[in-house]
Amino acid sequence: EVQLVESGGGLVQPGGSLRLSCAASGFTFSSYWMSWVRQAPGKGLEWVANIKQDGSEKYYVDSVKGRFTISRDNAKNSLYLQMNSLRAEDTAVYYCARAPRDYWGQGTLVTVSS
Amino acid sequence: EIVLTQSPDFQSVTPKEKVTITCRASQSIGSSLHWYQQKPDQSPKLLIKYASQSISGVPSRFSGSGSGTDFTLTINSLEAEDAAAYYCHQSGSLPYTFGQGTKLEIK
Repeated sequence: EVQLVESGGGLVQPGGSLRLSCAASGFTFSSYWMSWVRQAPGKGLEWVANIKQDGSEKYYVDSVKGRFTISRDNAKNSLYLQMNSLRAEDTAVYYCARAPRDYWGQGTLVTVSS
Repeated sequence: EIVLTQSPDFQSVTPKEKVTITCRASQSIGSSLHWYQQKPDQSPKLLIKYASQSISGVPSRFSGSGSGTDFTLTINSLEAEDAAAYYCHQSGSLPYTFGQGTKLEIK
């Protein structure tokens, strides 16, 4: 059974940093592109970033370029999202998803507030 | 950026009705269009991939069609458990984007 479990969310002040993790199991993690998708409270879904199987290609939505970094550790079956210079508008539930976003985790809430 | 526009934003329907949700892309995306269902406090669930491909475990009353810029999700014989938000999503062009969502209420 495919499982994706996010962790690392929490309350952070504007300008702060946070690192999200996603533990994958039930499939060959190293064979799939992976994604982060977020959802602000009461709002729709927004794709955030993608990473290729070997980490050699990474893509981001414009609003997080230069602030967020997606990475992975295939030996640990784990996906990460390093978030720096956080803003109030980054407040959302962050989901990791297997590309093409066929399986999703339960999400982890990030709240950016003073 | 490809903008996906869903219609309607909200629909109130009775059980056993047939429901059609449309998604229009601002540029052609071939068949790289997927449909999701999201119930409150749950993560999105893939219903249809690549416009019309069914997903194992998803009830057969859900179907998809379309290509290019115009796509449709059809729910035949609606059931009470189908109350949810529905989103289309394109993976044909970066940045990937989602429609604004359609909220389905069951009367």
